Amino acid sequence: QVQLVESGGGLVKPGGSLRLSCAASGFSFSDSYMSWIRQAPGRGLEWISYISRTSTYTDYADSVKGRFTISRDNTRNSVFLQMNNLRAEDTALYFCARNYGDYDPYFDYWGQGILVTVSS
Amino acid sequence: SYVLTQPPSVLVAPGQTATITCGGDKIGSQSVHWYQQKPGQAPVLVIHYDSDRPSGIPERFSGSNSGNTATLTISRVEAGDEADYYCQVWDGSNHPNYVFGTGTKVFVL
Repeated sequence: QVQLVESGGGLVKPGGSLRLSCAASGFSFSDSYMSWIRQAPGRGLEWISYISRTSTYTDYADSVKGRFTISRDNTRNSVFLQMNNLRAEDTALYFCARNYGDYDPYFDYWGQGILVTVSS
Repeated sequence: SYVLTQPPSVLVAPGQTATITCGGDKIGSQSVHWYQQKPGQAPVLVIHYDSDRPSGIPERFSGSNSGNTATLTISRVEAGDEADYYCQVWDGSNHPNYVFGTGTKVFVL
């Protein structure tokens, strides 16, 4: 069955870095666009980044542009999020998800999420 | 950026119908997707392309979209439907392209 498993979260000081990983199984990963979506405590969902099948295209929300970098390794069925210069407002549950649909895409598979806490 | 507005909460009695709206400028010209999120869990897709149900989603969940409002309707509400619900669109004209609604908490009385 489909699985998306995030790892790499934890507690980090402001200005610090973390690298999130998401291991995928149960679907054709190399044929899929992938995204990271986050949810601050008690808040709604915020899309923050996506990457195309062969890494040709990436995009970021303004809130993380220049600080976060998305990447993938299709040989390992994994997508990554390098987060630098972290701020308190980056504290959130981070989900990886598969983008689906040739037009007006949506997110059909989600991981369980990994918590990132930015605090001194 | 494109804004999707949802009511913060909806209260519904078991067996009744819950209606959750998602307002956006000319949203009827876009495809709307809906997610259910229970506490401590990841979101689950319940409606895609305005009114299509993914496999495994009960027929009690339905959707519509017209004008400036998309609607998720839950018929014959059960206690297990208590959750947060989010609408989502892909807006190719603005950045960010992926936009979520503000979310609605459905309380089952």
